[in-house]
Amino acid sequence: KNEVEQSPQNLTAQEGEFITINCSYSVGISALHWLQQHPGGGIVSLFMLSSGKKKHGRLIATINIQEKHSSLHITASHPRDSAVYICAAAFGNEKLTFGTGTRLTIIP
Amino acid sequence: EADIYQTPRYLVIGTGKKITLECSQTMGHDKMYWYQQDPGMELHLIHYSYGVNSTEKGDLSSESTVSRIRTEHFPLTLESARPSHTSQYLCASSLGTGGRGYTFGSGTRLTVV
Repeated sequence: KNEVEQSPQNLTAQEGEFITINCSYSVGISALHWLQQHPGGGIVSLFMLSSGKKKHGRLIATINIQEKHSSLHITASHPRDSAVYICAAAFGNEKLTFGTGTRLTIIP
Repeated sequence: EADIYQTPRYLVIGTGKKITLECSQTMGHDKMYWYQQDPGMELHLIHYSYGVNSTEKGDLSSESTVSRIRTEHFPLTLESARPSHTSQYLCASSLGTGGRGYTFGSGTRLTVV
């Protein structure tokens, strides 16, 4: 069964802290996506990974194919980073399986 | 700029009304998808299309219907809205390259009262 698990479910941190959100999946994938969902519900695509590491501003996403694991890191976190972060995997076809999301709250 | 557009962004509607959620993309992608997210839950695939005049139901059962008369347009319709349809609906399209060429809409938050 194609499964995607995220941890933690909820994360509260102080402004400036380094944040890590984890995503594990059950079997081999062809691509993994990280999405950001704002409190109003709007969804923004952050990264697509099939291997290695990508960086955009303060956001870094990594994937370890052998360990079936991906991480999303936020450096120098800011209250505007508060959102739900979702990982989604493509298990060899075009349909995505989504994780339950990590609700991140950054306190000033 | 190539993009995917969903309208409306928010919709509050009464029980029994017919509604159509619009989704359009300008990239010429053959594959399009509708995902549904119930409050506090993860997103699940409810409909997908691999081309014009081709639609299939997804993993999660839904009372909604879709059509694909044009490549760029993939509307979702609820004939008679009910409070159980209150959810976030996310449209996406892809190049068809193993999940790599995905583009996501911003989502429509539907509330049925």
